[in-house]
Amino acid sequence: AQTVTQSQPEMSVQEAETVTLSCTYDTSENNYYLFWYKQPPSRQMILVIRQEAYKQQNATENRFSVNFQKAAKSFSLKISDSQLGDTAMYFCAFIPTDKLIFGTGTRLQVFP
Amino acid sequence: GAVVSQHPSWVICKSGTSVKIECRSLDFQATTMFWYRQFPKQSLMLMATSNEGSKATYEQGVEKDKFLINHASLTLSTLTVTSAHPEDSSFYICSARDPAVSSYNSPLHFGNGTRLTVT
Repeated sequence: AQTVTQSQPEMSVQEAETVTLSCTYDTSENNYYLFWYKQPPSRQMILVIRQEAYKQQNATENRFSVNFQKAAKSFSLKISDSQLGDTAMYFCAFIPTDKLIFGTGTRLQVFP
Repeated sequence: GAVVSQHPSWVICKSGTSVKIECRSLDFQATTMFWYRQFPKQSLMLMATSNEGSKATYEQGVEKDKFLINHASLTLSTLTVTSAHPEDSSFYICSARDPAVSSYNSPLHFGNGTRLTVT
């Protein structure tokens, strides 16, 4: 079965600090893509970062970076220098075949 | 960048009526669109894959007769909730993949969603 698990329903962090959101997944595929999406209160889905499974180098996008451990099937998101605008739901997702499968989400609250 | 427009953004209907939600790709042709449903404080659950010119592929447990999907053109897919009931109240989100950008592994472009309330 293709599944995505986010074990942290809620997280909080103080502004300017760093926070890591965890994600694990299960698949028998060898090549796939992984994503982190952000959903602010507006409900718009915003792509934060993506990682190709065959690439060993961890993806980075400004303050966002991932720690991709393929053998462990782990794909965590690190947010550095957290900002108030980072407050949102964060969904880990992947495409093992042709469908985008989402995790249950982590609600991140950034405090001033 | 690629934009997906979803309409309406919210709708309230009476139980027993049908509601149509439109999803348009504005600057690219989407041969495949996806319809998701999201309950409050929950994740996005894939309902069906809409394929231009052919029947939609529904996920297990989704009633195809209740959730009618039509993908008549390369830029428009519609989801019709037939004989709506209060339990159909939810947030519905469409998404599309731009085939010109990359393969099936390219990220999806999402509409802004439709909040359906059935009274």
